Amino acid sequence: AQSVSQHNHHVILSEAASLELGCNYSYGGTVNLFWYVQYPGQHLQLLLKYFSGDPLVKGIKGFEAEFIKSKFSFNLRKPSVQWSDTAEYFCAVNVMRGGADGLTFGKGTHLIIQP
Amino acid sequence: GAGVSQSPSNKVTEKGKDVELRCDPISGHTALYWYRQSLGQGLEFLIYFQGNSAPDKSGLPSDRFSAERTGGSVSTLTIQRTQQEDSAVYLCASSSTRGGLGYEQYFGPGTRLTVT
Repeated sequence: AQSVSQHNHHVILSEAASLELGCNYSYGGTVNLFWYVQYPGQHLQLLLKYFSGDPLVKGIKGFEAEFIKSKFSFNLRKPSVQWSDTAEYFCAVNVMRGGADGLTFGKGTHLIIQP
Repeated sequence: GAGVSQSPSNKVTEKGKDVELRCDPISGHTALYWYRQSLGQGLEFLIYFQGNSAPDKSGLPSDRFSAERTGGSVSTLTIQRTQQEDSAVYLCASSSTRGGLGYEQYFGPGTRLTVT
């Protein structure tokens, strides 16, 4: 079975700082990778996804992530964060071709951006 | 368009009672998922329906949990003889391929279940 590890449980940054949130997965085969965000009081939203092709994927709100197969990693990045990026971020993986199966989530990273 | 809806938004029940949670997926979505989110366990997959295929029940924590999907649309998650450890937010998601590019899961607002 697959598993996902997010190394940073709480991150505090100032506005305009650069962001990198770590995500590693454990699975021997082909995977589909996702980052979801949960803003305070709102439901989970998809930030970006990787199924195949270019390992550098761009998502909404200026976020991007890079799939490094040799490192089993899918780290999330943003060059300059805003106060509105304060939220919980979840990395997730599934393994079925096309990504139809259930997601395995990491424990989440609580990001606080200080104005 | 309308997103995934769930009802009730909050449910308080006594230990030992049965509860039913409802999910209305996005119209036309063929796949439907249940997850639960709790402080101790994070986000856990429970069950997944795809079209008319047999559901993937691999995430259900015990036989007190069951789910149905009627007519390929609305789904009900039932928890029998609720326990305090069942207290969590139960999330529903639905998905479909978009031009064959892969499944994106869209989540509902959740039902917060409190077992007293």
